[in-house]
Amino acid sequence: DTEVTQTPKHLVMGMTNKKSLKCEQHMGHRAMYWYKQKAKKPPELMFVYSYEKLSINESVPSRFSPECPNSSLLNLHLHALQPEDSALYLCASSQTRIIGGDSNQPQHFGDGTRLSIL
Amino acid sequence: QKEVEQNSGPLSVPEGAIASLNCTYSDRGSQSFFWYRQYSGKSPELIMSIYSNGDKEDGRFTAQLNKASQYVSLLIRDSQPSDSATYLCAIGGTSYGKLTFGQGTILTVHP
Repeated sequence: DTEVTQTPKHLVMGMTNKKSLKCEQHMGHRAMYWYKQKAKKPPELMFVYSYEKLSINESVPSRFSPECPNSSLLNLHLHALQPEDSALYLCASSQTRIIGGDSNQPQHFGDGTRLSIL
Repeated sequence: QKEVEQNSGPLSVPEGAIASLNCTYSDRGSQSFFWYRQYSGKSPELIMSIYSNGDKEDGRFTAQLNKASQYVSLLIRDSQPSDSATYLCAIGGTSYGKLTFGQGTILTVHP
């Protein structure tokens, strides 16, 4: 069983709807990530939170709005999405940088939310 | 030149053979190297991480890292049909939190 839980597993929404994707991790990690993955492509990083603060925004359109209410939860609020936003949205978590180290820690992915925009 | 390149697939091997997956990268400052397995319709699953030059073994999987030549590889011994998946190489560079993924190699293990 995955220790990073994403809900819902599937979401179909119209272009005028507002919805939210949720992610919860119970691994004690303090870094959390949102990725977007299109079919037959690798995951694309969207946002990184470290200690509940947004540290990386990969120039994501404002119709995607992330939120990190606490160290275990990560949300992605969706509004006025376009058909090309249909994709698998993945949440991941990891330990943060080890003090004095530069190496990235392994990221652990949830099962994803498959999003379809009508 | 792409930042992370994986050997083009698909790769097909018979059951019981060794599957060899390769990945080269351009950022000499890269510190962290990961292999993920992704079954069709599923999310990526971490199978190996390696940080130092040399080999790292975990069961049937061996990761090999050569920073001087800027490549990392994954060997799967005694390949099983259940190993059939897309294998993603991911590299952590100098910007913490950012992994650069290769395009993935599709592996098929046939009985």
